[in-house]
This record gives sequence, C-alpha cells and structure tokens, in this order.
Amino acid sequence: GNSVTQMEGPVTLSEEAFLTINCTYTATGYPSLFWYVQYPGEGLQLLLKATKADDKGSNKGFEATYRKETTSFHLEKGSVQVSDSAVYFCALKLQGAQKLVFGQGTRLTINP
Amino acid sequence: SQTIHQWPATLVQPVGSPLSLECTVEGTSNPNLYWYRQAAGRGLQLLFYSVGIGQISSEVPQNLSASRPQDRQFILSSKKLLLSDSGFYLCAWRSGQVDGYTFGSGTRLTVV
Repeated sequence: GNSVTQMEGPVTLSEEAFLTINCTYTATGYPSLFWYVQYPGEGLQLLLKATKADDKGSNKGFEATYRKETTSFHLEKGSVQVSDSAVYFCALKLQGAQKLVFGQGTRLTINP
Repeated sequence: SQTIHQWPATLVQPVGSPLSLECTVEGTSNPNLYWYRQAAGRGLQLLFYSVGIGQISSEVPQNLSASRPQDRQFILSSKKLLLSDSGFYLCAWRSGQVDGYTFGSGTRLTVV
C-alpha cells in the first residue's frame, strides 16, 4: 500500500541551527509529495510540494527534494527560528487519487 | 480568492450527544471536499470525501457520517458521540485540477 514514514519526534533545536526532518514513502505509482505545517492551535498549511523526481520544493527558507532513487523527501532549513516551532507533516498523493496520505507528523520546538 | 470556513473552533460534548460540524468554501465552484481527523499524538486520517452534491465516500467505518447538501457545504455528523470520537477535525478542499489541498482551521472536539 501507500504510506509515509517520518522521523520520530519531538525534535528540539536551538535558534539558527540546521534542520533536517526525514521523510520516506512507499507508493504504487509516482506520487506528488508535500510538506504541511501546523502551528499551535491552527489547521494545516501547505509549506512546499514537488510533483516529480528531482523537483525541489521551497518556501520560507525550507527546502525538500523529491528523490525517487531513495523514495525520500527530507525537509531542510539552514537556520531555524523560534517561529518555526510547529508540527510538520509529510504527505503523498497519487495521480488521480482523492486521498492525501500523511505521515505521523514531527513536532519541532526551537529554543531561543 | 478562495477561503474555507470551519466552525466551531472548539467543542466539548458529552458521550451520547449528537454532533454537527460545518465547513463551507467560498470563491470556487464544484470543489472536492474532505474531512480529516487527527487523534491525539497521531497523524491525519481521511474520514470522508465528496466530489459533488450528495456524493459521499467513506474511507473508514465509524460512528460518523457526512453530508453535502450544497456545492460548497460539507457537514460531519454523529447521532451519538463516543469517547473515541475526540480529536481535531479538519475540513479541506481541492480543485479537481490541482494536487494541493487547502485546510480549514479545524475543530477540536472533546467528548467527555
């Protein structure tokens, strides 16, 4: 079946540290890949996406590259801020399918 | 521009009571609509989706039902709530032509 596995959280970093949140997927076809962010008390917001192999999604200093050979879509940021504290969800969607398949989420806390 | 409204933001209901959560979308027509649930400490699970008025697909058997009485309105209901229905409920919409989903701000339901 189709599934997404994310790095176990919670992750705690200091401000200006480098961030990586790992995400790997299993899919029967060639999915589109997404990262969503959920700030405290809010719904999900799309952070970035990539629709085909070797595409790089980027937004707000975050980046993720669609790696077909390793079935991965790791989220990175060079220098995190306190305001980046949130829960991050990796997700996939197969072409023609209705459903977004989510990972379990990774809670990120950035300390000043 | 398109917006999605979900209410209420917070709800505390006793076991056995009914439930009605409403979601409306503005600025688009014939959207695909979705209800997701996020249980405590877990990822998001798709509950229902709808591709048109009166068309409801259920992803998992459960104590909940959904209806779409109008093109841009999606309602999640229960006749008798269970403790296990507690969670964070998110409505989302998607245009049929694109992969990205837009989520509402969510309803936190606590069944006591």
